[in-house]
Amino acid sequence: GQQVMQIPQYQHVQEGEDFTTYCNSSTTLSNIQWYKQRPGGHPVFLIQLVKSGEVKKQKRLTFQFGEAKKNSSLHITATQTTDVGTYFCAGRQASGGSYIPTFGRGTSLIVHP
Amino acid sequence: GEEVAQTPKHLVRGEGQKAKLYCAPIKGHSYVFWYQQVLKNEFKFLISFQNENVFDETGMPKERFSAKCLPNSPCSLEIQATKLEDSAVYFCASSQYPPRASAYEQYFGPGTRLTVT
Repeated sequence: GQQVMQIPQYQHVQEGEDFTTYCNSSTTLSNIQWYKQRPGGHPVFLIQLVKSGEVKKQKRLTFQFGEAKKNSSLHITATQTTDVGTYFCAGRQASGGSYIPTFGRGTSLIVHP
Repeated sequence: GEEVAQTPKHLVRGEGQKAKLYCAPIKGHSYVFWYQQVLKNEFKFLISFQNENVFDETGMPKERFSAKCLPNSPCSLEIQATKLEDSAVYFCASSQYPPRASAYEQYFGPGTRLTVT
């Protein structure tokens, strides 16, 4: 079945440093979503990418969808302590399989003040 | 309502007992999804509904798990004869559009933490 791998599992940064998490799928995706889960909280939808090579920005967050639609990344510029949490990608297979997106295991971001 | 509501917040059951979790989707959202999150970082999809009809149940362990979404009632997820490995946070999510739609967004509830002792 479809697998969505996310790296790194953990990332420690000093406040002000940049952060990137990567998501790779074993199959071509029709779209990919990103979520943020604060410690003890629930996932919050951030964005959905649909087009090959798509780049979207939300303030300090930049989301990219690969040309082959098999990988994606989330980059945070100048991290702040409010960015702490686990970032999950969830990708839906382009053909066959379930309509339900498969979640990666997430990257936990720890920001040191 | 404007948020997905889940009850109870915490549930403790002895091994072999039944557990029932509830979810009220955002008003106007036709799709409901149940996920199991173990070890903090692993989300397992269980089942989804379109209104009261099962939309996708590919992740559902059929032996002990069942779920319903009946009109004018909260959706429910029931685990018969709980096992230790059922200990997890169970999240419910709802969406207005189906997963294949470009406007698809899932809104998650706060979760129910189930502890099986």
